[in-house]
Amino acid sequence: GENVEQHPSTLSVQEGDSAVIKCTYSDSASNYFPWYKQELGKRPQLIIDIRSNVGEKKDQRIAVTLNKTAKHFSLHITETQPEDSAVYFCAAEKEYGNKLVFGAGTILRVKS
Amino acid sequence: EAEVAQSPRYKITEKSQAVAFWCDPISGHATLYWYRQILGQGPELLVQFQDESVVDDSQLPKDRFSAERLKGVDSTLKIQPAELGDSAMYLCASSLGTGRQETQYFGPGTRLLVL
Repeated sequence: GENVEQHPSTLSVQEGDSAVIKCTYSDSASNYFPWYKQELGKRPQLIIDIRSNVGEKKDQRIAVTLNKTAKHFSLHITETQPEDSAVYFCAAEKEYGNKLVFGAGTILRVKS
Repeated sequence: EAEVAQSPRYKITEKSQAVAFWCDPISGHATLYWYRQILGQGPELLVQFQDESVVDDSQLPKDRFSAERLKGVDSTLKIQPAELGDSAMYLCASSLGTGRQETQYFGPGTRLLVL
């Protein structure tokens, strides 16, 4: 079955710097890769997703890149702000049925 | 903006007791998911409903867990009897359609502590 590994588990950056979180997946049939942000005590919220027919997608300060050959995808946050501090989860869809397999999460701390 | 609702938000129980969690998905969403999130890990799918039918419960410990979505709207997840290892966050999510690559919207979760 699908397995998703996420690195690093914790990441501390200075405000204004960039942050990069990387995920690898095992199922070559996966075609959908969402990223969720979970602030302390709050629900996970979708921040960006990418489908396998594109290699990169941007939304303001957030971008995601996908390398299907290598089976990895990454989240890039530029000009980080304190409100970016949260846990970020990557996920990959199994080959059928809209089932997501999640990575273990990355705790991002943005220091001001 | 419509959101997934869950209750209770917190539940403390003793082992061997029964607990139940409730989820109300976004109106019109056909697919409903229950996830378990252990501290420090990502959510893990327990059961997936399409309308009132279970489409995947392969990771649901059926000796003690049950889930239903009788009218294809809200859903209940039950644990009986609860064990210490069941302490976790239980998240409900919903998606509009039944196909692939549908965005899943999460509720705030129910944090369960079993003593």
